[in-house]
Amino acid sequence: QVQLVESGGGVVQPGGSLRLSCAASGFTFSSYGMHWVRQAPGKGLEWVAFIRYDGSNKYYADSVKGRFTISRDNSKNTLYLQMNSLRAEDTAVYYCAGPGHWGQGTLVTVSS
Amino acid sequence: QTVVTQEPSLTVSPGGTVTLTCASSTGAVTSGYYPNWFQQKPGQAPRALIYSTSNKHSWTPARFSGSLLGGKAALTLSGVQPEDEAEYYCLLYYGGARVFGGGTKLTVL
Repeated sequence: QVQLVESGGGVVQPGGSLRLSCAASGFTFSSYGMHWVRQAPGKGLEWVAFIRYDGSNKYYADSVKGRFTISRDNSKNTLYLQMNSLRAEDTAVYYCAGPGHWGQGTLVTVSS
Repeated sequence: QTVVTQEPSLTVSPGGTVTLTCASSTGAVTSGYYPNWFQQKPGQAPRALIYSTSNKHSWTPARFSGSLLGGKAALTLSGVQPEDEAEYYCLLYYGGARVFGGGTKLTVL
């Protein structure tokens, strides 16, 4: 069955960096575009970024453009989100998603 | 900045029918926005229900259906069950970027 398992979350100070990973299994990872979506505590879903199946195109929400980078390694069936210049408002559970499936999320807390 | 608008809350009786809508600040929602719908229950990850306006995933119950209605994307639940009480989110495609709606809290009472 399809599994998406996020990792790499934790507590980081404002201005710091973090890299999230999402290990995919149960489907042909290299054939599908993948998303990162986040949810701040008690708030709704916010789309963060998308990468095409081959990594050729990447798209970002305005709120993270220039600070976050989405990437993938199809040989490792893994999706990444490099997060730099983190702010308090980036505090959220980060989910990877696609195709039609979601991981359980990893919590990122930005606090001094 | 593009805004996607959903009803903040709706209430429906068990066995009833309810329609949730999803509007775009850019104008009428068409199939080219590839509307997706997701369900999220407290403490759980979201679950995909509908993609590309009206297509169901293999796990989507038959009582859920997606459509375009009056310039908006719509999710209709027919024969609502108590377990359908949840938050529902739509997602629209804007030529690469996507935007979620604010969510509709559906209460089954």
